[in-house]
Amino acid sequence: NAGVTQTPKFQVLKTGQSMTLQCAQDMNHEYMSWYRQDPGMGLRLIHYSVGAGITDQGEVPNGYNVSRSTTEDFPLRLLSAAPSQTSVYFCASSLNPDTQYFGPGTRLTVL
Amino acid sequence: EDKVVQSPLSLVVHEGDTVTLNCSYEVTNFRSLLWYKQEKKAPTFLFMLTSSGIEKKSGRLSSILDKKELFSILNITATQTGDSAIYLCAVRWAGSYQLTFGKGTKLSVIP
Repeated sequence: NAGVTQTPKFQVLKTGQSMTLQCAQDMNHEYMSWYRQDPGMGLRLIHYSVGAGITDQGEVPNGYNVSRSTTEDFPLRLLSAAPSQTSVYFCASSLNPDTQYFGPGTRLTVL
Repeated sequence: EDKVVQSPLSLVVHEGDTVTLNCSYEVTNFRSLLWYKQEKKAPTFLFMLTSSGIEKKSGRLSSILDKKELFSILNITATQTGDSAIYLCAVRWAGSYQLTFGKGTKLSVIP
């Protein structure tokens, strides 16, 4: 099993550009989530999904969209990148909401 | 106001020392408390606690929950340089799929 994979590892965007962060898992987990991590802020939940076709907002959803068309994939879309979205993004998956397995992260810089 | 508060925010100890990390949370339909360790990249799961007074143990790490006083501690005995990491505490409230993370405690173990 590859576990949770994220692409790309690094990305630099200009303000206003859009992009999609990819997340995939091969553990047949129903629960998937996206977090961002900023210095001194811990992990903050952006969006999550409890199964294919079901998504919901977390603590900081503004500026981001998600979809869950399959159990395996949970992409995160930045609609119009802003410097405030400079962060490290983690995707996680689990059988239940508690013991989540995290991907390696994507470091995003918005200029 | 933060719902999950970790202390201290950072800590420097010498190898062989014992450390205690703290995590306090607001009351309101508590469901579970989790500890994660984050080294260079993704957080990895350590413990989940749901019942008060029951210690979870794994090697030199142990954790206990006090639901009456609304806090948990993570103990690490005989620390090693490999214990250097950020330790994250997260809480899930009943009826919610979301984990709320504290800001983390950065532990540095020096030889």
